[in-house]
Amino acid sequence: AQSVTQLDSQVPVFEEAPVELRCNYSSSVSVYLFWYVQYPNQGLQLLLKYLSGSTLVESINGFEAEFNKSQTSFHLRKPSVHISDTAEYFCAVSDEGSQGNLIFGKGTKLSVKP
Amino acid sequence: ETGVTQSPTHLIKTRGQQVTLRCSSQSGHNTVSWYQQALGQGPQFIFQYYREEENGRGNFPPRFSGLQFPNYSSELNVNALELDDSALYLCASSQGTAQETQYFGPGTRLLVL
Repeated sequence: AQSVTQLDSQVPVFEEAPVELRCNYSSSVSVYLFWYVQYPNQGLQLLLKYLSGSTLVESINGFEAEFNKSQTSFHLRKPSVHISDTAEYFCAVSDEGSQGNLIFGKGTKLSVKP
Repeated sequence: ETGVTQSPTHLIKTRGQQVTLRCSSQSGHNTVSWYQQALGQGPQFIFQYYREEENGRGNFPPRFSGLQFPNYSSELNVNALELDDSALYLCASSQGTAQETQYFGPGTRLLVL
C-alpha cells in the first residue's frame, strides 16, 4: 500500500532564509504528487502538484517542488520565506489508477521567525 | 464561484451517540471525498462518492457511512461514536479523477466525550 513520509515534523527558520520540506513516498508506480498547506483553523489549500512532464513544479507564491522518481521524493523548497508562510504543509500522493483518494503524510509545521 | 462548505463547524457528542456532518461541494464538481484528521496527524481517507455512488473506501469500519445527493452535496454519518472518533473531518470536492485537484472545506471539528 502506498505511504508518504514527511521526515521533519517541525521546521523552524528565520525570515528570508531558504527552506526545504522533505517528502518521500513508497511506491514507484505511476503517481500524482501534491503539496497542500493548512493555515491555523482552516482547511487544506493546494500549493502545487506534479502530474507529468517537467519534474520541477512551481507555485504562485514562490514555492517549488521537484519530482525525483529514482528517489521517490517530492521535496518542497522556497529560497526565501516570509512570516506569512508559517503553516502546516502536507505532502500527498494519488495513484494513477485509483479513484483519486489522497494518501497524506503526517505534515511538517513550518515556523518562520522574525 | 462558491467554495466547499461544511456544517457544523464544531460539535460535541458523547460515546455511543450518532452524528451527521454535511458538505456542499464546489460548483461543477461531481465527486466528494471525506477525510479524518486526528490531532497532529495528516488527513486519512474515509470514502469517496461519485455521482451518488460510493467510489472507494479507506480503512474505516462500517459505522462510518455516507450519502451523496443529486446536487452532489454529501453527508458523513458516524454511528456508535467512540472517543477516538474525535478529530477534524474534512470534505473535499473535485471532478473525480486521480489527477484532479481536490478542494477542501474548512472542516468540522468533532469532540467525543
